[in-house]
Amino acid sequence: DADVTQTPRNRITKTGKRIMLECSQTKGHDRMYWYRQDPGLGLRLIYYSFDVKDINKGEISDGYSVSRQAQAKFSLSLESAIPNQTALYFCATETSGSTGELFFGEGSRLTVL
Amino acid sequence: EDQVTQSPEALRLQEGESSSLNCSYTVSGLRGLFWYRQDPGKGPEFLFTLYSAGEEKEKERLKATLTKKESFLHITAPKPEDSATYLCAVQANNDYKLSFGAGTTVTVRA
Repeated sequence: DADVTQTPRNRITKTGKRIMLECSQTKGHDRMYWYRQDPGLGLRLIYYSFDVKDINKGEISDGYSVSRQAQAKFSLSLESAIPNQTALYFCATETSGSTGELFFGEGSRLTVL
Repeated sequence: EDQVTQSPEALRLQEGESSSLNCSYTVSGLRGLFWYRQDPGKGPEFLFTLYSAGEEKEKERLKATLTKKESFLHITAPKPEDSATYLCAVQANNDYKLSFGAGTTVTVRA
């Protein structure tokens, strides 16, 4: 089994719908991240969490929210999806200490029509 | 604001044809520069961390080097299995997050 698991892997939805992307990890890491990847733009940070009680906005948090349900679980929600949120979303974990060595899930491809 | 620019966007190589990828960066005090590999349909996978100018790291056919303004990823005698997108990222001092470049997609033909 993968160390960082994302569900769903693919999702097609309509404008205005609420969507949740889930991430769970078995690495025992405290730090978890949500990134968005768009062609030509690289990975951009949406939200991050350094522990269960710590949630922080990244560079592109507008239109998104997150929940850290447990050390191992970090969910990303789109309250009212819009077409420009069509992208590939990655969850990542990191051990404490800002090592920069992130462990990524396999991604969730979201299409908003 | 930290900036990372990777070039070229795409690189097509013949098997055995060595080449280099470039990562230019601007950051207010570099804590670390990171290289990741991403295969199609997969998440990025960590390759190297470089901390200071002059440092080099090697892994199989890959060697990463660092100067004060850029990093190079050298691919020596590549094989088809080296085909992937290579991502560069920087982390500034006293910062938590990585700033990623858009990547270089390498295709190695047999």
